[in-house]
Amino acid sequence: GQNIDQPTEMTATEGAIVQINCTYQTSGFNGLFWYQQHAGEAPTFLSYNVLDGLEEKGRFSSFLSRSKGYSYLLLKELQMKDSASYLCAAMDSNYQLIWGAGTKLIIKP
Amino acid sequence: ETGVTQTPRHLVMGMTNKKSLKCEQHLGHNAMYWYKQSAKKPLELMFVYSLEERVENNSVPSRFSPECPNSSHLFLHLHTLQPEDSALYLCASSQEFGTPQPQHFGDGTRLSIL
Repeated sequence: GQNIDQPTEMTATEGAIVQINCTYQTSGFNGLFWYQQHAGEAPTFLSYNVLDGLEEKGRFSSFLSRSKGYSYLLLKELQMKDSASYLCAAMDSNYQLIWGAGTKLIIKP
Repeated sequence: ETGVTQTPRHLVMGMTNKKSLKCEQHLGHNAMYWYKQSAKKPLELMFVYSLEERVENNSVPSRFSPECPNSSHLFLHLHTLQPEDSALYLCASSQEFGTPQPQHFGDGTRLSIL
């Protein structure tokens, strides 16, 4: 079956760095997406990886290893506004997104 | 107005009521999606439309009925719902179906079934 695993909740300190991991198993693979969702708001697109390696976009970076079925989202210089849920989703061979349950990130001052 | 807009934001209904959720996208996209989001569970894809034609129906109960009159509008008609249908219903759109492009989401309709 198809499956995405990511931690349920993480806590980090303002100004620090946090890494949110995601492992996936899909029928075929057409890329890995990360979304951010603040409470009561729409998920918003953060990053897309289809090739192995690290993609950097400001304070956020996303990494992919296709051979390991593994991705992570790295958030640097954490700010209070980064408190949100982070959703990992893998796209299968039918271009359907398989979603994880999300990681709730709590930032403490 | 830009992006994806959903109305209403909140809806409380009895199990015998009939109501509709509305979604409108102003991005010029050709694909639209309905998702169900329950607490601590992954997003569940319900329906996909590409150029106003339904392309996916993931075993959704018939008490949920989608309608896509044009590529900018999507409706979800609800009737005889059950308490377990209480959830956040999200609409999304993407440039094309069947390509690895990001989906853009609305803020959702928080549905509560009494």
